[in-house]
Amino acid sequence: GAVVSQHPSRVICKSGTSVKIECRSLDFQATTMFWYRQFPKQSLMLMATSNEGSKATYEQGVEKDKFLINHASLTLSTLTVTSAHPEDSSFYICSARETGGVHYTFGSGTRLTVV
Amino acid sequence: AQTVTQSQPEMSVQEAETVTLSCTYDTSESNYYLFWYKQPPSRQMILVIRQEAYKQQNATENRFSVNFQKAAKSFSLKISDSQLGDTAMYFCAFMGNNAGNMLTFGGGTRLMVKP
Repeated sequence: GAVVSQHPSRVICKSGTSVKIECRSLDFQATTMFWYRQFPKQSLMLMATSNEGSKATYEQGVEKDKFLINHASLTLSTLTVTSAHPEDSSFYICSARETGGVHYTFGSGTRLTVV
Repeated sequence: AQTVTQSQPEMSVQEAETVTLSCTYDTSESNYYLFWYKQPPSRQMILVIRQEAYKQQNATENRFSVNFQKAAKSFSLKISDSQLGDTAMYFCAFMGNNAGNMLTFGGGTRLMVKP
């Protein structure tokens, strides 16, 4: 079946530094990938839609200069949290939809802790 | 914009019994997809079942089945013969043909299966 690999699974960083999270579709091509943020005991909140070869589409209220998304190939999207603050601490999840398909495959998530 | 509502924040069921999780949605689209996802303590999102709106027959996957009422915009999930491994957060999700085919999630229902 379709597999999406997300790395790292956990990361701790210092305030002011940047952290990159990778989302890779292993056995299919994904023109579109999605980045979510999930607070404890809450639902997934869509942050942005990542489109291969073009700029990401950010949801209202999400700072595009803080959460940089790069979708440089059909199998890789990255989310970089720049100048991280403790309030950026959260669980980040990516998902990918196979080009032309209706099935979404999710990565295993990244727990970011900013100290 | 589409909205998805799960009115039961928490539910519990005895092992081997049946439980139904509720989901309602709002959309002006006529063709769309509905999903139920499971998020166990590992936080990996797992597809449980999918329903295409143009299909009248309710989807089933082993112990999981749905009751899809298109006119009422209702999409409930029935879990039969509940198992301890069914303990998880369950999210109802909607995908239309507009808005970049993104998933819209409900707030989730935390299900506890008791021995």
